[in-house]
This record gives sequence, structure tokens and C-alpha cells, in this order.
Amino acid sequence: GAGVSQSPRYKVAKRGQDVALRCDPISGHVSLFWYQQALGQGPEFLTYFQNEAQLDKSGLPSDRFFAERPEGSVSTLKIQRTQQEDSAVYLCASSLPRRYSSNQPQHFGDGTRLSIL
Amino acid sequence: KQEVTQIPAALSVPEGENLVLNCSFTDSAIYNLQWFRQDPGKGLTSLLLIQSSQREQTSGRLNASLDKSSGRSTLYIAASQPGDSATYLCAAIKAAGNKLTFGGGTRVLVKP
Repeated sequence: GAGVSQSPRYKVAKRGQDVALRCDPISGHVSLFWYQQALGQGPEFLTYFQNEAQLDKSGLPSDRFFAERPEGSVSTLKIQRTQQEDSAVYLCASSLPRRYSSNQPQHFGDGTRLSIL
Repeated sequence: KQEVTQIPAALSVPEGENLVLNCSFTDSAIYNLQWFRQDPGKGLTSLLLIQSSQREQTSGRLNASLDKSSGRSTLYIAASQPGDSATYLCAAIKAAGNKLTFGGGTRVLVKP
């Protein structure tokens, strides 16, 4: 497909379990972003990759959150020892095709809705 | 730290009326500003992107303006239709390739 793909679309986990959320960016996109969106609110930045390098992880709420993009394409957001406050929609976005230099919009996936029981 | 605010949080209008959605930001040193649409259970669809050097962008019935000095952007939707019902989000970006800072969104309902 041509868009950003996220899986799973829905994830239910018990408190204390670990979860892994996957993002397939648009082919050729250099930048990849993760955002967290609580119900009724705007998304909030979690972390940013340029190729395989994690350049900004200032938005990760705790050390239970970990993201990686080992080959500069697919990214995984992992949450360890989940808590109820982790329940949210996790959105992935990609931007900046390699042949362009700047000012490209971010393209979002449909998100993963995470519910912690 | 950039803060983005959208007022009102919700808006209901009859079909055919023009929509005016407001977005304000505290740090005028932005690189660009982007407007998105979000349907329930879906991700964000980019509507318009205004570069910091631009005053407005237009696409069909949509027009977005940007006034950096006052820290404001406005999204106008002409002749609203029930299909325009969605949440509209604005987001500011400080530098190329950098993170988006979002407002809380305006939930729009267009009544037939």
C-alpha cells in the first residue's frame, strides 16, 4: 500500500504485560514519528527517528517506553509493564522523501488503539 | 515550550454555513503549520500545510491563513456539508523534520 501502516489496529492487554506496536512507514520516507493520543485530546509527541537514528525521545513518558528502527524502515514501539494510564491511541507518521530536502507534511497511519485492563 | 490551543472545542452548524476554526500558538518561531482532519477511529489526514513565509493556502473549499506575529491560524471551510463532520486539528512545527505540536482539536458537526 501507499500509506503508513500500523499493526495491530487494536490491542488489549492486562496491566503488567509488555506490548509491541509496529509501524511500516511510506517507502522512502526518512523521518518517522510516534505520537500518543488520549481520548478527546490532540496527539502528543513521543519520539522521532531519522533513518535508524533516534534523534529525539524527549516525549517518552517513562523508561517503560522504548522505540527502535534498526534498519531505517519499520519501527516498533514497545511498552513494558503496562499501566492503565498507557491506554491511548498510538499514531505513527512518516515524512521527508529522500529526494526532497524539507517542508514535507507528515503522513499518519490509522493508529493502534491500546487498552490496558 | 510551544503551546497550541484550539477554540472552540466543539462546533455545530447547519449544512451550507461557512465554518471558521481557530488555532493559536505561543511561539511565533514556527517553520510551518499544518491542518489535519481526523475521523472517528482513524488516523490524521493532512488538509493544508502553510509555510512560515506564506500567509494562506487554499484547496477547494478549504482556506487556511497564517499570522505569525499574532500567533494565529484560521481554517475556513466554505459551504459546509455533512461529510465535513470530523475533528480538525492544527499543529505547529518548529524546524524541518521536527515534531508536530498539536492543539486539542475542534470537533465539528454539520447538520443536514
